[in-house]
Amino acid sequence: EVQLVESGGGLVQPRGSRRLSCAASGFTVSSNSMSWVRQAPGKGLEWVSVKYSAGNTNYADSVKGRFTIARDDSKNTLYLQLNSLRAEDTAVYYCARHTQLSPTAFDIWGRGTMVTVSS
Amino acid sequence: EIVLTQSPATLSLSPGERATLSCRASQSVGSFLAWYQQKPGQAPRLLIYDASNRATGIPGRFSGSGSGTDFTLTISSLEPEDCAVYYCQQGSNWWTFGQGTKVEI
Repeated sequence: EVQLVESGGGLVQPRGSRRLSCAASGFTVSSNSMSWVRQAPGKGLEWVSVKYSAGNTNYADSVKGRFTIARDDSKNTLYLQLNSLRAEDTAVYYCARHTQLSPTAFDIWGRGTMVTVSS
Repeated sequence: EIVLTQSPATLSLSPGERATLSCRASQSVGSFLAWYQQKPGQAPRLLIYDASNRATGIPGRFSGSGSGTDFTLTISSLEPEDCAVYYCQQGSNWWTFGQGTKVEI
């Protein structure tokens, strides 16, 4: 079964750090473009970061310089390192696989992991 | 950044009725437009990609149309399980989402 399972969320103090993990099964992460998308409580969806199959990355302006996306091919796992966290980073963080023919949409989503930034 | 504007914000209909949801882009996105369904406490689910292609396992009552800046998601005959928030998303210039349309049944 094709599946994504996120972990690593929790309560973090402002200016703190957290690493999120996304374990994939049923497909190979390194053969696909993968993104993180977040959703603040009661709000809409916001794309955060992408790791292309070729290895290059990109970030939304709102997180550039603070978040880092990475991949461990041996563990078939995607990561998101969150640094210098702010209250406005509070959200459910989803990892998602891009559609394979063209990375214009997201066809597989995890259930998400909640990050709460608060003192 | 390409801004997507969805209308209406809320759609209240009865089972069996036709639902028409709109999504307008601030600039052309070609056919790189997707639709998602999200139920409370769940992740989004891809319904339509590239404006009019149904994703795997999506019932035939869901259809998408449009190109350029104006797009439509149609649910031909509403089922009770279609109660959800629907988001459009463009993939032409990075990825952005609309604010969502809530469908009440």
